[in-house]
Amino acid sequence: KNEVEQSPQNLTAQEEEFITINCSYSVGISALHWLQQHPGGGIVSLFMLSSGKKKHGRLIATINIQEKHSSLHITASHPRDSAVYICAVRFGYGGSQGNLIFGKGTKLSVKP
Amino acid sequence: DAGVIQSPRHEVTEMGQEVTLRCKPISGHDYLFWYRQTMMRGLELLIYFNNNVPIDDSGMPEDRFSAKMPNASFSTLKIQPSEPRDSAVYFCASSFFDEQFFGPGTRLTVL
Repeated sequence: KNEVEQSPQNLTAQEEEFITINCSYSVGISALHWLQQHPGGGIVSLFMLSSGKKKHGRLIATINIQEKHSSLHITASHPRDSAVYICAVRFGYGGSQGNLIFGKGTKLSVKP
Repeated sequence: DAGVIQSPRHEVTEMGQEVTLRCKPISGHDYLFWYRQTMMRGLELLIYFNNNVPIDDSGMPEDRFSAKMPNASFSTLKIQPSEPRDSAVYFCASSFFDEQFFGPGTRLTVL
């Protein structure tokens, strides 16, 4: 069964802390997405990765294909980073954009 | 561009009624996705289209669910008849390359 596991499920941090959220998957993938869902419910795509590392502002996403693992890092966290972070993967190789499988999400709360 | 537009934003209906959710993708995007989000199951892909053609509907839970995309700028997701277990937030998303842009969602409550 193709599975996506995220950890931790819940995370509380103090402002300015360095945060890491993890995502593991069971079989080979062609792409991995990190999404952010705000308390109001809106979903924003943060990164799409197939290898290596990507950085956008204070957010960094890495993926290790051999270990079937990805991490999302937030540097100098801020209360506005409070959201649910969702990992999604597309299993297999090539093919269409569909067939995304989602993790259950990590709920992050950053306290001032 | 206004982004992905969904309507209605909230829908409350009674069991047995027909429900139609609507989505307008971002102009120029050739993929359209319908997702459902519940507390128990998280986000699930229901169906997606490429150039208005349904590609994979294996996530559609039952025959009560149907989706259409009559043209590049409009898609519907219909539930008939609706049941309380269909209560969820339904998201539409569109993409051109791999990045997906999500609409605000429709919160459906079936009483």
